[in-house]
Amino acid sequence: NAGVTQTPKFRVLKTGQSMTLLCAQDMNHEYMYWYRQDPGMGLRLIHYSVGEGTTAKGEVPDGYNVSRLKKQNFLLGLESAAPSQTSVYFCASSRTGTDTGELFFGEGSRLTVL
Amino acid sequence: GEDVEQSLFLSVREGDSSVINCTYTDSSSTYLYWYKQEPGAGLQLLTYIFSNMDMKQDQRLTVLLNKKDKHLSLRIADTQTGDSAIYFCAMDTGRRALTFGSGTRLQVQP
Repeated sequence: NAGVTQTPKFRVLKTGQSMTLLCAQDMNHEYMYWYRQDPGMGLRLIHYSVGEGTTAKGEVPDGYNVSRLKKQNFLLGLESAAPSQTSVYFCASSRTGTDTGELFFGEGSRLTVL
Repeated sequence: GEDVEQSLFLSVREGDSSVINCTYTDSSSTYLYWYKQEPGAGLQLLTYIFSNMDMKQDQRLTVLLNKKDKHLSLRIADTQTGDSAIYFCAMDTGRRALTFGSGTRLQVQP
């Protein structure tokens, strides 16, 4: 019963390096989201997807790109990492957007950019 | 834009009641939610309230909604050490995603 799985769980990057965070869900959910969590600021939406092949910008999309080539996967890319992108990243999915309100979250990926 | 505010920290003694408050600016949300985040984990839905309700009770949890004042609260009765976590209020602001408050860290002292 995996739910939402994020890889990697920890990563340290140097400024300017690139990386991709992978989110996989096995619940056949249509909607998927990437949030970042910073101290005292709660969760902020980076990008989201309402279905395979679709993506949309959230509250803080700059510096990130996403892709949803398969329904079960949602990738978050950093092309040129900056120290301001040091954060904990959470992926979430839901069955019908926010109709029921239940987002299922992964355990988070802690990224440090030096 | 949408604004959801919470106090950052609350400390209570075991057995006391905890009240976590949330204020918001956008009142169009159909549901308003409380999520719980335990250390090192993702968020989990704790409870929610439909926007046309004033109160919802679920075992030790009581959610109060004051739409006039745009105020949402979560009361935990008989707080236990296992309730120590960060609690987030959240609401749907029409962008097919939830907007979260900054989170309230609840510390329960034995």
